[in-house]
Amino acid sequence: ETGVTQTPRHLVMGMTNKKSLKCEQHLGHNAMYWYKQSAKKPLELMFVYSLEERVENNSVPSRFSPECPNSSHLFLHLHTLQPEDSALYLCASSTTGGTEAFFGQGTRLTVV
Amino acid sequence: SQKIEQNSEALNIQEGKTATLTCNYTNYSPAYLQWYRQDPGRGPVFLLLIRENEKEKRKERLKVTFDTTLKQSLFHITASQPADSATYLCALDLGTNAGKSTFGDGTTLTVKP
Repeated sequence: ETGVTQTPRHLVMGMTNKKSLKCEQHLGHNAMYWYKQSAKKPLELMFVYSLEERVENNSVPSRFSPECPNSSHLFLHLHTLQPEDSALYLCASSTTGGTEAFFGQGTRLTVV
Repeated sequence: SQKIEQNSEALNIQEGKTATLTCNYTNYSPAYLQWYRQDPGRGPVFLLLIRENEKEKRKERLKVTFDTTLKQSLFHITASQPADSATYLCALDLGTNAGKSTFGDGTTLTVKP
């Protein structure tokens, strides 16, 4: 285990549903990230929270909404998703300026 | 535009041989380069990091080289084992936060007994 826990591990949702992914780390890190990994594609950075500042990839649709209530917890709120949003969603954490990212196991999301 | 290419989508080798994976990049000046291992359905796990001023790094059976002139890193696994079968990702970082690295799309290594 890397110290980064994601729940749920698997999620199937309809296009009209609203769901949330959760990520938790107790490594003392102060930066957390959401990545999307689709088949045959590189990891795509979606959002970064570092020292309470949020940085986002401008290509991420607004149907994905992150929330970081504190340095140990990160959420990704999902609403009105499309089938092409089906992917493995990975959370990661690091120290600010750190050279190693610790990834969770991921949530396998299927949109039907 | 910035681009990272890993040599091939899949690499098959015989147990005991050395696996060599390639990561090439363009339009980057990375402060360091990382290699991660990813098993199916799981998140990547950090293996090694090499900085721009380093030529080579070793860790047990792993060796990484970094040539900033060729804009290339080579990742070697010596005395390969079936348990080394996985997807290996290279990632480049400009020296900000490790999680903001840009990842290649990976090479899937299969080591046959």
